[in-house]
Amino acid sequence: AQTVTQSQPEMSVQEAETVTLSCTYDTSESNYYLFWYKQPPSRQMILVIRQEAYKQQNATENRFSVNFQKAAKSFSLKISDSQLGDTAMYFCAFMNYGGSQGNLIFGKGTKLSVKP
Amino acid sequence: DTGVSQNPRHKITKRGQNVTFRCDPISEHNRLYWYRQTLGQGPEFLTYFQNEAQLEKSRLLSDRFSAERPKGSFSTLEIQRTEQGDSAMYLCASSFLVGNTIYFGEGSWLTVV
Repeated sequence: AQTVTQSQPEMSVQEAETVTLSCTYDTSESNYYLFWYKQPPSRQMILVIRQEAYKQQNATENRFSVNFQKAAKSFSLKISDSQLGDTAMYFCAFMNYGGSQGNLIFGKGTKLSVKP
Repeated sequence: DTGVSQNPRHKITKRGQNVTFRCDPISEHNRLYWYRQTLGQGPEFLTYFQNEAQLEKSRLLSDRFSAERPKGSFSTLEIQRTEQGDSAMYLCASSFLVGNTIYFGEGSWLTVV
């Protein structure tokens, strides 16, 4: 069974600085997707960034980028120029490409606080 | 294009009562998912539909839980004989195809007293 581990329950960063959130996963599959979702205090889960395992290039979305290390099964999220609005729970998630075809497996989350 | 809509947003019920939640997915999304999230935890998969067919159910989905998606549009999640352990947020999500981005609703909070 696939598992997703986020080893940092809480983190804080000063506004405008950079922070990296860690995620490791365990799978025997070779084709899969990885995601980072953000859940602000309003509670709606919002996609931050996604990565297809077959792509070697790390995904980027504006201030958000990932460091995908397939062999190490590591998928960290870097947030540059942190803003107060980045304060939220961040969840790393895994989706198998085949097999059960589509359900997301989430980590327990990292609570990020951006301080002014 | 409206997002995933869930109703009611909050429900307080007495133990033993039945509750039903409704989810309206993003238009034309053929996949619809239900997740459960408790405080301090990540969402846990319950079940998903492709069109009107329920293709997978988690072991978390006891026989007191039933989900439907008639006509492949909106979905309902019913919990019978609620227990205090059912208190959680129930998240609905939808996507167009496997591997495509899954979009979440705001969730339905259930408190069983």
